[in-house]
Amino acid sequence: QKEVEQDPGPLSVPEGAIVSLNCTYSNSAFQYFMWYRQYSRKGPELLMYTYSSGNKEDGRFTAQVDKSSKYISLFIRDSQPSDSATYLCAMREVGTDKLIFGTGTRLQVFP
Amino acid sequence: DVKVTQSSRYLVKRTGEKVFLECVQDMDHENMFWYRQDPGLGLRLIYFSYDVKMKEKGDIPEGYSVSREKKERFSLILESASTNQTSMYLCASSPYQITEAFFGQGTRLTVV
Repeated sequence: QKEVEQDPGPLSVPEGAIVSLNCTYSNSAFQYFMWYRQYSRKGPELLMYTYSSGNKEDGRFTAQVDKSSKYISLFIRDSQPSDSATYLCAMREVGTDKLIFGTGTRLQVFP
Repeated sequence: DVKVTQSSRYLVKRTGEKVFLECVQDMDHENMFWYRQDPGLGLRLIYFSYDVKMKEKGDIPEGYSVSREKKERFSLILESASTNQTSMYLCASSPYQITEAFFGQGTRLTVV
């Protein structure tokens, strides 16, 4: 079993939809959680970063961490065609700088 | 802006060649990483370095080595390229106690 599981998609939604992207993990020592966005033929860029449990909001994006269920989510409100990309979750333990990535979910938002 | 620069966007090499992938960062970051990205497998860590001349194996180090002689530069070496090393290679850097890793644009390597 992989440490971090993520549905690869593709996920195709109409413009304006609410998108939910999810990752599950098995290592209860993970404390730092991140979401990266990767456009085609580009390197990943950090979108959201959270520590431990709870929610974090940034504009149209909300990151949610449920440590009891070992489950993290990224919600995108009012999705736009420019949100079409691959979204990767990543996480790490305290005291290590090794990031463990999910496989990524490919999202397509059509006009 | 943080910049991580990889020396090539696309490379085509022959089986058995020694291949060097270079990465330079301009933010004085302590950590540097090499990942490979393959469809369905995501990003897998090959090696990382937390200081000059220091390195640690990642999850898939076989067939690769690295060199970090200067803080800003981290090189990935394929000692004898094989077709199963055809992939997208991504370099990243971060400060200690990483809250964000900054990635380069990637090098798409094809081994024929």
